[in-house]
Amino acid sequence: DAGITQSPRHKVTETGTPVTLRCHQTENHRYMYWYRQDPGHGLRLIHYSYGVKDTDKGEVSDGYSVSRSKTEDFLLTLESATSSQTSVYFCAISEDRDYEQYFGPGTRLTVT
Amino acid sequence: DAKTTQPNSMESNEEEPVHLPCNHSTISGTDYIHWYRQLPSQGPEYVIHGLTSNVNNRMASLAIAEDRKSSTLILHRATLRDAAVYYCSQTSGSRLTFGEGTQLTVNP
Repeated sequence: DAGITQSPRHKVTETGTPVTLRCHQTENHRYMYWYRQDPGHGLRLIHYSYGVKDTDKGEVSDGYSVSRSKTEDFLLTLESATSSQTSVYFCAISEDRDYEQYFGPGTRLTVT
Repeated sequence: DAKTTQPNSMESNEEEPVHLPCNHSTISGTDYIHWYRQLPSQGPEYVIHGLTSNVNNRMASLAIAEDRKSSTLILHRATLRDAAVYYCSQTSGSRLTFGEGTQLTVNP
C-alpha cells in the first residue's frame, strides 16, 4: 500500500471555525490532491499540488485553501467552515500527471 | 468540463466475467482514461488506466474504443471481493474527473 496518511480521521466542528486537514506521504511523489466525496456527486477535486509551493485549483475550490511547504505534506484549510463543507475528504498522490493516483483513508468532517 | 457517464448499478455472478461500461463524451486526444474502485468506508483504489491501446494488468483489462468516447473495464472472473463501486475517470491536464460510479454486486 502507498504510504499515505490523513489526519484527523474524524472531526466535528462548528460553523465559522477554521479547520485544517493534513495529508502526509512517504512515497516522495510529486503530485498531491485533495478531493471531497458527497452522495450524488462522486469525487470532486478541490485543489492539487504539482510540487513544493506549487498548487492549483480544482472544480470545487471556493472556501478552501491549501499549502505545501514540504514534499511529504499537503494541508487543506477551511478558513471558516460551513455546513455545506460537511463531507468525506480524500487525499491522493501520484508520481506525475496522468499516472495512477493512490488515495488515503479519508477524513470524515462534520460541520454543525 | 470533462464528463463521464456510467450505469448506476450492475450485477454479476461469481466466477463469471464482468464488463463495466463508461462513456467519455468530452474526452480529448491527450486525456488518459482511469478506473478506480471503492469499498465502503475506504479510499478509492487504483485499478487500471490507459490512453489509446487496450491494457491488461493483474486486476483487470481495459478496452478503449477506437474513437475513445467509451471504455470498458473487464473483470475476467468476478469474485465476492470484487463487489465495490467502480469509477471511471479521465484526466484533463493534471486533473482527474470522476463519473458517478457503478455499484457492482457479485452473487455467489
